[in-house]
Amino acid sequence: GQQLNQSPQSMFIQEGEDVSMNCTSSSIFNTWLWYKQEPGEGPVLLIALYKAGELTSNGRLTAQFGITRKDSFLNISASIPSDVGIYFCAGRTPGGWGKLQFGAGTQVVVTP
Amino acid sequence: EAGVVQSPRYKIIEKKQPVAFWCNPISGHNTLYWYLQNLGQGPELLIRYENEEAVDDSQLPKDRFSAERLKGVDSTLKIQPAELGDSAVYLCASSPTTAGELFFGEGSRLTVL
Repeated sequence: GQQLNQSPQSMFIQEGEDVSMNCTSSSIFNTWLWYKQEPGEGPVLLIALYKAGELTSNGRLTAQFGITRKDSFLNISASIPSDVGIYFCAGRTPGGWGKLQFGAGTQVVVTP
Repeated sequence: EAGVVQSPRYKIIEKKQPVAFWCNPISGHNTLYWYLQNLGQGPELLIRYENEEAVDDSQLPKDRFSAERLKGVDSTLKIQPAELGDSAVYLCASSPTTAGELFFGEGSRLTVL
């Protein structure tokens, strides 16, 4: 089963608003990946984080690797209708084969 | 550069029938993954390959599921016989290294009637 707690489960926002979501884990991770999935498609990689404290941007998206290595945050600024989708976090445990675990996703709905 | 290619995109079968899914990873990616995604949930790992070796298949229900990656490139995931609860999206992903970023295909959506 999944060990990541991703919140919120869903968000309904107006165009132009900022969006924040986060993932927390009971385990330490050495990698955090953030994906977006649209209906009928596979997840698309948005941002990859590899160091505690790392802050990385991709356009209007910004993600941070938490200092404790047990959490990560994704922010979307000035949302637009095409931001609609499900956003997944994924964390990789250190050592060995570094298994990647996924959160349950945050569904984002943007209204004009 | 071509992405991860999966086929078929959609498959509808009756229970107890067999089904197979095919995946061609991004060229040069040694690591290949099969994930299961149920509605409203994140992907869950079924099996991971490093080249042709299955290095993590602990979550693969081996009584009915099998997978192969004979030449270390493309891969096939098979279910025989399928059950109603197998209805889901089967995602294939690849990465250039074990600790690298995963790139997903569009998925194969299975409906078992």
